[in-house]
Amino acid sequence: AQTVTQSQPEMSVQEAETVTLSCTYDTSESDYYLFWYKQPPSRQMILVIRQEAYKQQNATENRFSVNFQKAAKSFSLKISDSQLGDAAMYFCAYRPNFGNEKLTFGTGTRLTIIP
Amino acid sequence: DTAVSQTPKYLVTQMGNDKSIKCEQNLGHDTMYWYKQDSKKFLKIMFSYNNKELIINETVPNRFSPKSPDKAHLNLHINSLELGDSAVYFCASSQDFLAGSKETQYFGPGTRLLVL
Repeated sequence: AQTVTQSQPEMSVQEAETVTLSCTYDTSESDYYLFWYKQPPSRQMILVIRQEAYKQQNATENRFSVNFQKAAKSFSLKISDSQLGDAAMYFCAYRPNFGNEKLTFGTGTRLTIIP
Repeated sequence: DTAVSQTPKYLVTQMGNDKSIKCEQNLGHDTMYWYKQDSKKFLKIMFSYNNKELIINETVPNRFSPKSPDKAHLNLHINSLELGDSAVYFCASSQDFLAGSKETQYFGPGTRLLVL
């Protein structure tokens, strides 16, 4: 069974600084997708970034980038130039590329932005 | 236009009651999901439907019965509500997995259910 682990229940960062959120996962599959979702106080689940396992290049979306280490099964999220609106719960999620399409989520990291 | 919508957003009810949560997506997706987020924020899949057919049922009590009248709708009916059912329920949708799709799952705004 696949598992996703986020070892940092809470993180904080000064506004305009950079922060990295950790995620590791366990799977025997070689083809899969990884995601970071953001959940602000409004509760909406918002896709931040996704990574396809067969791509070696790390995904980037503006201030958000990932460090995908397939051999280590690690998928960290880097947020550059942190903004107050980045404050939220961040969830790492895994999905295999075939068959059962469910997302398996980590337990989340609560990110606080310090003005 | 809202891509994935859920009604109601809030639901407060007494133990033992029966309630339904509705979900609709206008993305043209073929697969829809229900996730439950407990008080510790942990998200877990409950059900998944592809073209109105159940494809995932993750050991959810049979008091929970999803119904998909068409591929744009996936409703969740809960019988005999219990205190432990209090949670936030999220609907999501994605493109047809049988096509080997790489589509992301898009989530609705969630329904906060409180059972008293």
